[in-house]
Amino acid sequence: GQQVMQIPQYQHVQEGEDFTTYCNSSTTLSNIQWYKQRPGGHPVFLIQLVKSGEVKKQKRLTFQFGEAKKNSSLHITATQTTDVGTYFCAGPPGGNQFYFGTGTSLTVIP
Amino acid sequence: GAVVSQHPSWVICKSGTSVKIECRSLDFQATTMFWYRQFPKQSLMLMATSNEGSKATYEQGVEKDKFLINHASLTLSTLTVTSAHPEDSSFYICSARAPQFQGKLFFGSGTQLSVL
Repeated sequence: GQQVMQIPQYQHVQEGEDFTTYCNSSTTLSNIQWYKQRPGGHPVFLIQLVKSGEVKKQKRLTFQFGEAKKNSSLHITATQTTDVGTYFCAGPPGGNQFYFGTGTSLTVIP
Repeated sequence: GAVVSQHPSWVICKSGTSVKIECRSLDFQATTMFWYRQFPKQSLMLMATSNEGSKATYEQGVEKDKFLINHASLTLSTLTVTSAHPEDSSFYICSARAPQFQGKLFFGSGTQLSVL
């Protein structure tokens, strides 16, 4: 089956520092989505990237989709305590399934 | 926004009993629903994909006779864990998708199953 790996698995940052998580798929993705799951909560959609090389920004969050459509990254500038949670990339390999990456758990130290 | 309701939020049952979990899209018609299983501090593992009116497609390693999925209508999908055992204890979460949302998934709040 499809493998979607994320690194790092865990990241602790001081409030105000930047944070980046990387997502790598074993297969080409038709699109990639990012979700955030707060502790004890359910995943919430953040963004979808469709085009090769696409870059999108949401305030302090910057998302990139790789040229080969097999990798992606999420960068958070100047983290805040509200950024705490686990960030998942996810995507369909072309079929009807929808696979999630292994996730990166972000802890922000005030 | 689109809302997905999942019930129950938590359930404790005895080994050998069956448990049904419901997932409803409240304000939209879900053409596809996904069922995931999540262990503590781990990712969401896709169990099955179900389309309304057709049989669910199970992922490799997921027993379809153990985890019965029914997607009887465009707003309701159910997951029944049959003859549950302690190793089935986990967090089960559903999500729904519809064409008007361009592939975005909306998640239920999840069900924590504990089998004694």
